Amino acid sequence: QKEVEQNSGPLSVPEGAIASLNCTYSDRGSQSFFWYRQYSGKSPELIMFIYSNGDKEDGRFTAQLNKASQYVSLLIRDSQPSDSATYLCAVKQDSGYSTLTFGKGTMLLVSP
Amino acid sequence: DTEVTQTPKHLVMGMTNKKSLKCEQHMGHRAMYWYKQKAKKPPELMFVYSYEKLSINESVPSRFSPECPNSSLLNLHLHALQPEDSALYLCASRLALAAYNEQFFGPGTRLTVL
Repeated sequence: QKEVEQNSGPLSVPEGAIASLNCTYSDRGSQSFFWYRQYSGKSPELIMFIYSNGDKEDGRFTAQLNKASQYVSLLIRDSQPSDSATYLCAVKQDSGYSTLTFGKGTMLLVSP
Repeated sequence: DTEVTQTPKHLVMGMTNKKSLKCEQHMGHRAMYWYKQKAKKPPELMFVYSYEKLSINESVPSRFSPECPNSSLLNLHLHALQPEDSALYLCASRLALAAYNEQFFGPGTRLTVL
Protein backbone atom coordinates (compact mmCIF):
# COMPACT_ATOMS: atom_id res chain seq x y z
CA GLN A 1 0.00 0.00 0.00
CA LYS A 2 1.34 3.39 -1.01
CA GLU A 3 1.78 5.61 2.02
CA VAL A 4 2.67 9.20 2.77
CA GLU A 5 3.81 9.93 6.29
CA GLN A 6 3.88 13.24 8.11
CA ASN A 7 4.36 14.15 11.73
CA SER A 8 0.94 15.36 12.91
CA GLY A 9 2.45 18.05 15.18
CA PRO A 10 1.67 20.58 16.26
CA LEU A 11 4.95 22.13 15.22
CA SER A 12 5.36 25.33 17.18
CA VAL A 13 7.75 28.05 16.01
CA PRO A 14 8.14 31.70 17.01
CA GLU A 15 7.38 34.46 14.54
CA GLY A 16 10.31 35.10 12.23
CA ALA A 17 11.78 31.61 12.57
CA ILE A 18 12.13 28.94 9.89
CA ALA A 19 9.48 26.23 9.99
CA SER A 20 10.53 22.86 8.59
CA LEU A 21 7.83 20.38 7.60
CA ASN A 22 8.75 16.86 6.55
CA CYS A 23 7.13 14.09 4.55
CA THR A 24 8.22 10.60 3.56
CA TYR A 25 6.61 8.38 0.95
CA SER A 26 6.71 4.67 0.26
CA ASP A 27 6.31 4.43 -3.52
CA ARG A 28 9.76 4.77 -5.04
CA GLY A 29 8.20 5.38 -8.47
CA SER A 30 6.47 8.58 -7.37
CA GLN A 31 7.28 11.54 -9.58
CA SER A 32 5.27 14.55 -8.42
CA PHE A 33 4.98 16.06 -4.97
CA PHE A 34 2.73 18.77 -3.63
CA TRP A 35 2.29 20.85 -0.53
CA TYR A 36 -1.15 22.15 0.36
CA ARG A 37 -1.96 24.60 3.14
CA GLN A 38 -5.32 24.22 4.84
CA TYR A 39 -6.72 26.69 7.32
CA SER A 40 -9.28 25.37 9.78
CA GLY A 41 -12.66 25.02 8.10
CA LYS A 42 -11.29 25.95 4.67
CA SER A 43 -10.25 23.95 1.61
CA PRO A 44 -6.66 22.95 0.76
CA GLU A 45 -4.66 25.56 -1.14
CA LEU A 46 -1.76 24.46 -3.34
CA ILE A 47 1.34 26.37 -2.27
CA MET A 48 4.23 24.40 -3.78
CA PHE A 49 4.90 21.53 -6.14
CA ILE A 50 8.17 19.87 -7.03
CA TYR A 51 9.00 17.25 -9.63
CA SER A 52 12.83 17.11 -9.65
CA ASN A 53 15.42 16.36 -7.00
CA GLY A 54 16.75 19.43 -5.26
CA ASP A 55 15.28 22.67 -4.04
CA LYS A 56 12.53 24.84 -5.44
CA GLU A 57 11.97 28.30 -4.02
CA ASP A 58 8.90 30.54 -4.22
CA GLY A 59 8.97 33.58 -1.99
CA ARG A 60 9.25 32.48 1.63
CA PHE A 61 8.63 28.83 0.70
CA THR A 62 11.21 26.26 -0.33
CA ALA A 63 10.33 22.70 -1.27
CA GLN A 64 13.11 20.12 -1.11
CA LEU A 65 12.98 16.70 -2.76
CA ASN A 66 15.30 13.75 -2.26
CA LYS A 67 14.02 10.81 -4.27
CA ALA A 68 16.81 8.49 -3.12
CA SER A 69 15.69 8.96 0.48
CA GLN A 70 12.00 9.20 -0.50
CA TYR A 71 11.75 12.44 1.38
CA VAL A 72 10.18 15.79 0.63
CA SER A 73 10.16 18.84 2.86
CA LEU A 74 8.77 22.34 3.01
CA LEU A 75 10.66 25.20 4.58
CA ILE A 76 8.87 28.40 5.51
CA ARG A 77 11.22 31.29 6.16
CA ASP A 78 10.31 34.29 8.32
CA SER A 79 7.25 32.45 9.64
CA GLN A 80 4.21 34.60 10.34
CA PRO A 81 1.20 33.92 12.58
CA SER A 82 -0.85 33.82 9.35
CA ASP A 83 1.14 30.70 8.37
CA SER A 84 -0.54 28.82 11.21
CA ALA A 85 -2.44 26.06 9.42
CA THR A 86 -2.30 22.37 8.60
CA TYR A 87 0.14 21.50 5.80
CA LEU A 88 -0.74 18.48 3.70
CA CYS A 89 1.89 16.62 1.72
CA ALA A 90 0.52 14.87 -1.38
CA VAL A 91 2.17 12.47 -3.78
CA LYS A 92 0.93 11.71 -7.28
CA GLN A 93 0.28 8.06 -8.01
CA ASP A 94 1.21 6.35 -11.23
CA SER A 95 -2.35 6.18 -12.55
CA GLY A 96 -3.12 8.21 -15.65
CA TYR A 97 -5.61 10.28 -13.72
CA SER A 98 -3.16 11.96 -11.38
CA THR A 99 -4.71 10.66 -8.21
CA LEU A 100 -3.00 11.95 -5.10
CA THR A 101 -2.15 10.18 -1.87
CA PHE A 102 -2.24 12.62 1.02
CA GLY A 103 -0.39 12.52 4.27
CA LYS A 104 -2.40 13.19 7.40
CA GLY A 105 -1.01 16.71 7.62
CA THR A 106 1.19 18.63 10.04
CA MET A 107 -0.33 21.41 12.09
CA LEU A 108 1.94 24.45 12.26
CA LEU A 109 1.51 27.05 15.00
CA VAL A 110 3.44 30.32 14.69
CA SER A 111 3.41 32.36 17.85
CA PRO A 112 3.78 36.17 17.80
CA ASP B 1 -10.92 32.96 -14.40
CA THR B 2 -8.49 30.98 -12.28
CA GLU B 3 -10.63 29.35 -9.68
CA VAL B 4 -12.90 26.45 -8.88
CA THR B 5 -16.28 27.44 -7.47
CA GLN B 6 -18.65 25.29 -5.45
CA THR B 7 -22.24 25.81 -4.41
CA PRO B 8 -23.79 25.78 -1.95
CA LYS B 9 -21.25 26.70 0.74
CA HIS B 10 -23.33 24.99 3.40
CA LEU B 11 -26.06 22.37 3.15
CA VAL B 12 -28.21 20.79 5.83
CA MET B 13 -30.36 17.88 4.74
CA GLY B 14 -32.44 15.12 6.24
CA MET B 15 -31.86 11.48 5.53
CA THR B 16 -34.82 11.33 3.13
CA ASN B 17 -33.89 14.41 1.11
CA LYS B 18 -32.37 14.63 -2.35
CA LYS B 19 -29.91 17.43 -2.98
CA SER B 20 -27.09 18.25 -5.36
CA LEU B 21 -23.68 19.84 -5.02
CA LYS B 22 -22.30 21.84 -7.90
CA CYS B 23 -18.73 22.53 -8.97
CA GLU B 24 -17.63 24.78 -11.81
CA GLN B 25 -14.33 25.83 -13.36
CA HIS B 26 -13.49 27.86 -16.44
CA MET B 27 -9.77 27.18 -16.62
CA GLY B 28 -10.05 24.63 -19.42
CA HIS B 29 -9.26 21.81 -17.03
CA ARG B 30 -10.41 18.42 -18.30
CA ALA B 31 -9.95 16.35 -15.14
CA MET B 32 -12.28 16.95 -12.20
CA TYR B 33 -12.40 15.28 -8.82
CA TRP B 34 -14.74 14.87 -5.87
CA TYR B 35 -13.24 14.42 -2.42
CA LYS B 36 -14.76 13.97 1.02
CA GLN B 37 -12.96 15.35 4.04
CA LYS B 38 -13.80 14.64 7.66
CA ALA B 39 -12.46 16.79 10.50
CA LYS B 40 -8.72 16.43 11.13
CA LYS B 41 -8.36 13.94 8.25
CA PRO B 42 -6.88 14.38 4.77
CA PRO B 43 -9.16 14.55 1.72
CA GLU B 44 -10.43 11.17 0.60
CA LEU B 45 -10.92 10.65 -3.13
CA MET B 46 -14.44 9.71 -4.24
CA PHE B 47 -14.63 10.13 -8.03
CA VAL B 48 -12.49 11.20 -10.96
CA TYR B 49 -13.78 12.48 -14.28
CA SER B 50 -11.43 12.73 -17.21
CA TYR B 51 -12.71 14.43 -20.38
CA GLU B 52 -16.25 14.20 -18.99
CA LYS B 53 -16.05 10.44 -18.50
CA LEU B 54 -16.10 8.76 -15.10
CA SER B 55 -12.64 7.27 -14.74
CA ILE B 56 -12.40 6.33 -11.08
CA ASN B 57 -15.07 5.46 -8.53
CA GLU B 58 -13.41 4.68 -5.22
CA SER B 59 -16.13 2.23 -4.12
CA VAL B 60 -18.39 5.07 -3.07
CA PRO B 61 -21.93 4.08 -1.89
CA SER B 62 -24.62 4.52 -4.52
CA ARG B 63 -26.33 7.22 -2.45
CA PHE B 64 -23.66 9.48 -4.00
CA SER B 65 -24.11 9.89 -7.74
CA PRO B 66 -21.69 12.04 -9.76
CA GLU B 67 -22.44 13.71 -13.04
CA CYS B 68 -20.31 15.70 -15.47
CA PRO B 69 -22.66 17.48 -17.90
CA ASN B 70 -19.86 19.35 -19.68
CA SER B 71 -16.18 20.16 -19.39
CA SER B 72 -16.76 23.00 -16.93
CA LEU B 73 -19.33 21.52 -14.61
CA LEU B 74 -19.38 18.69 -12.10
CA ASN B 75 -22.33 17.70 -9.95
CA LEU B 76 -22.70 15.36 -7.00
CA HIS B 77 -26.25 14.14 -6.45
CA LEU B 78 -27.11 13.06 -2.93
CA HIS B 79 -30.00 10.94 -1.72
CA ALA B 80 -30.80 8.90 1.37
CA LEU B 81 -27.62 10.02 3.09
CA GLN B 82 -26.61 8.96 6.59
CA PRO B 83 -25.43 11.23 9.43
CA GLU B 84 -21.92 9.79 9.00
CA ASP B 85 -21.85 11.35 5.52
CA SER B 86 -21.62 14.77 7.14
CA ALA B 87 -18.30 16.22 5.95
CA LEU B 88 -16.65 18.87 3.79
CA TYR B 89 -17.09 17.93 0.14
CA LEU B 90 -14.34 19.23 -2.07
CA CYS B 91 -14.14 19.55 -5.81
CA ALA B 92 -10.78 19.81 -7.56
CA SER B 93 -9.66 20.19 -11.13
CA ARG B 94 -6.50 19.64 -13.17
CA LEU B 95 -5.37 20.61 -16.63
CA ALA B 96 -5.08 16.93 -17.65
CA LEU B 97 -1.97 17.34 -19.78
CA ALA B 98 0.86 14.98 -18.92
CA ALA B 99 3.26 17.61 -17.61
CA TYR B 100 0.70 19.33 -15.44
CA ASN B 101 -0.25 17.38 -12.36
CA GLU B 102 -1.35 20.17 -10.06
CA GLN B 103 -4.84 19.87 -8.64
CA PHE B 104 -6.69 22.99 -7.52
CA PHE B 105 -9.44 22.77 -4.96
CA GLY B 106 -12.67 24.69 -4.70
CA PRO B 107 -13.81 26.15 -1.37
CA GLY B 108 -15.93 23.11 -0.54
CA THR B 109 -19.49 22.45 0.58
CA ARG B 110 -20.00 21.83 4.28
CA LEU B 111 -22.68 19.12 4.44
CA THR B 112 -24.63 18.23 7.56
CA VAL B 113 -26.99 15.24 7.47
CA LEU B 114 -29.56 15.19 10.25
